[in-house]
Amino acid sequence: AQKVTQAQTEISVVEKEDVTLDCVYETRDTTYYLFWYKQPPSGELVFLIRRNSFDEQNEISGRYSWNFQKSTSSFNFTITASQVVDSAVYFCALRSYNTDKLIFGTGTRLQVFP
Amino acid sequence: DAGVTQSPTHLIKTRGQQVTLRCSPISGHKSVSWYQQVLGQGPQFIFQYYEKEERGRGNFPDRFSARQFPNYSSELNVNALLLGDSALYLCASSPVGTGTGELFFGEGSRLTVL
Repeated sequence: AQKVTQAQTEISVVEKEDVTLDCVYETRDTTYYLFWYKQPPSGELVFLIRRNSFDEQNEISGRYSWNFQKSTSSFNFTITASQVVDSAVYFCALRSYNTDKLIFGTGTRLQVFP
Repeated sequence: DAGVTQSPTHLIKTRGQQVTLRCSPISGHKSVSWYQQVLGQGPQFIFQYYEKEERGRGNFPDRFSARQFPNYSSELNVNALLLGDSALYLCASSPVGTGTGELFFGEGSRLTVL
């Protein structure tokens, strides 16, 4: 069975702190995709990153970085120098090849205080 | 270009009623998926449609049904509403539905069942 676990329910930080959101996944597929989405209060899921199972290179995009480790089935997300605008619920998700079905974790609510 | 659009944005129904939610995908996208997000949880997959045919179905009762039209827009129908159907219903579109691209989400339809 496929499963995504986000053990951190809620994280609170002060602006400019670095914060890491954890994601652990389970799948028997050899080809799969991992995603991070941001959900602001408006409700729309905003795509942040997609990673396929054959690409374990870490990625950095501005203040965001992602650490994909297949050996530990983890796909963690770090925000450097957090800002108040980063406050949102963040979801990690897993998708098998050849389907649009996403398996989401329960989300991590990040609150960044000024 | 317009993103994924959903209507209505908010609606209130009573138990036993029926509801129809609508989704227009991004222009050129042929795959539409529906997700249910109960408060405090991650989205749960309901259906995927590609080229007007059902590609996948999640673990939802037969009260839930959907269809896709020739212009690739989609409707989600829920009959005999229960209090537990209160949720944010999200629609997502992708170009080919094979799992290789990003899924783009709309802002959702928030359903309250009284």
